[in-house]
Amino acid sequence: EVKVLESGGGLVQPGGSLKLSCAASGFDFSRYWMSWVRQAPGKGLEWIGEINPDSSTINYMPSLKDKFIISRDNAKNTLYLQMSKVRSEDTALYYCARGVLRYYYAMDYWGQGTSVTVSS
Amino acid sequence: ENVLTQSPAIMSASPGEKVTMTCRASSSVSSSYLHWYQQKSGASPKLWIYSTSNLASGVPARFSGSGSGTSYSLTINNVEAEDAATYYCQQYSGYPWTFGGGTKLEIK
Repeated sequence: EVKVLESGGGLVQPGGSLKLSCAASGFDFSRYWMSWVRQAPGKGLEWIGEINPDSSTINYMPSLKDKFIISRDNAKNTLYLQMSKVRSEDTALYYCARGVLRYYYAMDYWGQGTSVTVSS
Repeated sequence: ENVLTQSPAIMSASPGEKVTMTCRASSSVSSSYLHWYQQKSGASPKLWIYSTSNLASGVPARFSGSGSGTSYSLTINNVEAEDAATYYCQQYSGYPWTFGGGTKLEIK
């Protein structure tokens, strides 16, 4: 069974940093593009960025490029999101999702999300 | 950035009705890269339709998608209570990927 499970969320002070993880299982993680998507409370979905299977290509939402870093460890079947210089508007539920080449990179499996709250 | 505008923002339907929601892009999108997701309250999004008109695994046949260029739609024939959710379109026409603001479907 395909699963992706986010962790690492919590309360962080403005200007602080946080690293989220996404543990994948049930599929060959090293062959898939992976994305991060977030959803602020009561709002819609916002794509943060994506990483290709061998980490040679990483794409970001331009407005987040200087704050967030996406990486992966294929040996650990884990995707990461390093967040820095966070602000209140970064408060959201953060999802990781698998992108499928044959579906033109539509995201076919999503985790349950990990919640990040930015507050002093 | 290609902005997706979904309409209506909220809609209500009775069981058995046919409903159509639209997704309009600020610039043209390849139909291969226009996808729809369903998100029920308190749950994660699910891939619902990929590449404009292909139903994801397990999606009932009463759902359909169509469109091209800058205008796309999702239609539900004979809507059922379980279809109550927010539906998001997503596109790629060069980075970044963008999502529409969503259409919330309520069932009377």
